[in-house]
Amino acid sequence: EVQLVESGGGLVQPGGSLRLSCAASGFTVSSNYMSWVRQAPGKGLEWVSIIYGGGTTYYTDSVKGRFTISRHNSKNTVYLQMNSLRAEDTAVYYCAKLRSGSYVDYWGQGTLVTVSS
Amino acid sequence: QLVLTQSPSASASLGASVKLTCTLSSGHSTYAIAWHQQPPEKGPRYLIKINSDGSHSKGDGIPDRFSGSSSGAERYLTISSLQSEDEADYYCQTWDTGMWVFGGGTKLTVL
Repeated sequence: EVQLVESGGGLVQPGGSLRLSCAASGFTVSSNYMSWVRQAPGKGLEWVSIIYGGGTTYYTDSVKGRFTISRHNSKNTVYLQMNSLRAEDTAVYYCAKLRSGSYVDYWGQGTLVTVSS
Repeated sequence: QLVLTQSPSASASLGASVKLTCTLSSGHSTYAIAWHQQPPEKGPRYLIKINSDGSHSKGDGIPDRFSGSSSGAERYLTISSLQSEDEADYYCQTWDTGMWVFGGGTKLTVL
């Protein structure tokens, strides 16, 4: 059974940092496209970052240079390092597995990140 | 530019059927899409992938009440025998090389 479990969210001041983790089971993250998707309060879904099976990464423009996606193969875990956080980064962050790099076929339960002083 | 357009809201009565629409932008009418359901205060769940020829594949455990179809640049999600737990936001999603896109979502109200 595929499971994605996020952790690491919380309250952080503007300019601060946070690292999100996504522990996967039931499949191998290094062989799949993995992504982070966020949802600001009352808003729709927004792609944040994707890491390809080969290690190539993608970032939406608003987080380029501030966020870094990575993975630890032996832990079967994907991370999102978030630096220089802004109020507009406040959202629930979901970890998601992409089927063959195309559509999301599994979602995590989400972790809330609140950026506020 | 690859864009998905959804109506912001829809409603239907308990036990009835409803058809939600996701429209692909000009020049992208052959693209496949996926539908995701997000109940209130919960995370999204993958429902179904729909190809341009209307063929589709569902996620794990998705009931037969959920089906998909296609016509031109439009991709549809039909929910039959509506139940109260079907009240949710529904998002369509598509992709291209190095690009992934969500529609704005449709809020479905079950009357």
